Amino acid sequence: DAGVTQSPTHLIKTRGQQVTLRCSPKSGHDTVSWYQQALGQGPQFIFQYYEEEERQRGNFPDRFSGHQFPNYSSELNVNALLLGDSALYLCASSFPSGGPQGEQFFGPGTRLTVL
Amino acid sequence: RKEVEQDPGPFNVPEGATVAFNCTYSNSASQSFFWYRQDCRKEPKLLMSVYSSGNEDGRFTAQLNRASQYISLLIRDSKLSDSATYLCVVPRGGSWGKLQFGAGTQVVVTP
Repeated sequence: DAGVTQSPTHLIKTRGQQVTLRCSPKSGHDTVSWYQQALGQGPQFIFQYYEEEERQRGNFPDRFSGHQFPNYSSELNVNALLLGDSALYLCASSFPSGGPQGEQFFGPGTRLTVL
Repeated sequence: RKEVEQDPGPFNVPEGATVAFNCTYSNSASQSFFWYRQDCRKEPKLLMSVYSSGNEDGRFTAQLNRASQYISLLIRDSKLSDSATYLCVVPRGGSWGKLQFGAGTQVVVTP
């Protein structure tokens, strides 16, 4: 049973560029959440997708956008990259009924470095 | 005040000893809580859920104090493999609420 997978594992970009990160949820899960984890901090919620729609959003600018596909996989797009966007980006999947009462399964993350 | 606050540590613990640390939360309406464990440069993984006054799983005990709005995690008979960062998590919002993570408490178990 495959867990949550993310690609790529590492990425180096320069300021102003755009990046797309990808996530495949755990088998049977249909809800995907994205988090940003800066060094020494806990993960910060970016947004959550369910049924191909953004259901919840955290305090992130519009430069951060996402998409969910019919097979439940998801993409995170970040435009006009800033140095402060350097972080580990985590994708987590869950059942919709899990919500806050359920477990979220995290992928290994994509480490983004912006130069 | 941050929504979820934790003592960053590190808590240096001799192998076999007991360690405990707290997490305070600001939203008094929160009903469920979680402790996640994160190893260095790895993804967080669920350690324990806390829905009522507490929960116990082997050497790990989580307690909830709603009046004072804090959750504690106690690790008994610490193992070297317990070395990790422990993240306190409080869901926000309604049924589809987001997870609010604390910054984590680092625990280092020494031989």
